[in-house]
Amino acid sequence: DVVMTQSPLSLPVTLGQPASISCRSSQSLVHSDGNTYLNWFQQRPGQSPRRLIYKVSNRDSGVPDRFSGSGSGTDFTLKISRVEAEDVGVYYCMQGTHWPPLTFGGGTKVEIK
Amino acid sequence: EVQLVESGGGLVQPGGSLRLSCAASGFTFSSYSMNWVRQAPGKGLEWVSYISSSSSTIYYADSVKGRFTISRDNAKNSLYLQMNSLRDEDTAVYYCARGLLQDVWGQGTTVTVSS
Repeated sequence: DVVMTQSPLSLPVTLGQPASISCRSSQSLVHSDGNTYLNWFQQRPGQSPRRLIYKVSNRDSGVPDRFSGSGSGTDFTLKISRVEAEDVGVYYCMQGTHWPPLTFGGGTKVEIK
Repeated sequence: EVQLVESGGGLVQPGGSLRLSCAASGFTFSSYSMNWVRQAPGKGLEWVSYISSSSSTIYYADSVKGRFTISRDNAKNSLYLQMNSLRDEDTAVYYCARGLLQDVWGQGTTVTVSS
């Protein structure tokens, strides 16, 4: 199974400042079809998960452009250019290249300093 | 509006059974594969099961294989998860999510396994 490792576990950020979350996979996520199936999800307190980014860098509809995804192979990053209060929550990466099983990272908790 | 609504959760004793449902609306349900994903209290997300649009392909996590059965009724726009031989460690919020890449999620239904 592909292991997804996120860091940091917790990320205290000052409002208006940038934030960056790392996600590493135990093997390359490049699919034989040429795509890289790496998603990012946001889970606000008390809510269900919401997909932010799919296939590494594609923002879902309605997702603010302060969120961006990048990376390749085994190394991926979610960046928030300027953190707002509504960004508080837990962020998860997930791979859909080598499955089953679909595997998630352990999560990164973003909080306001 | 695209929507998924789970139901059927509750309190059950170890060894018991529950059937979860996920009602889909606002999109052509029969065109999409579906997943169940769970989240134990205070923990991260764990994929549970996948079913293709026509039910021809089904997968399970090792942790539930042989105990859980995923199914769907495209005529009723509904997804199901039959959970048997439930264990304490199955206690979680269960979400249904649309497609392999899980672009839409429901609000979840809580399953508590306890004596």
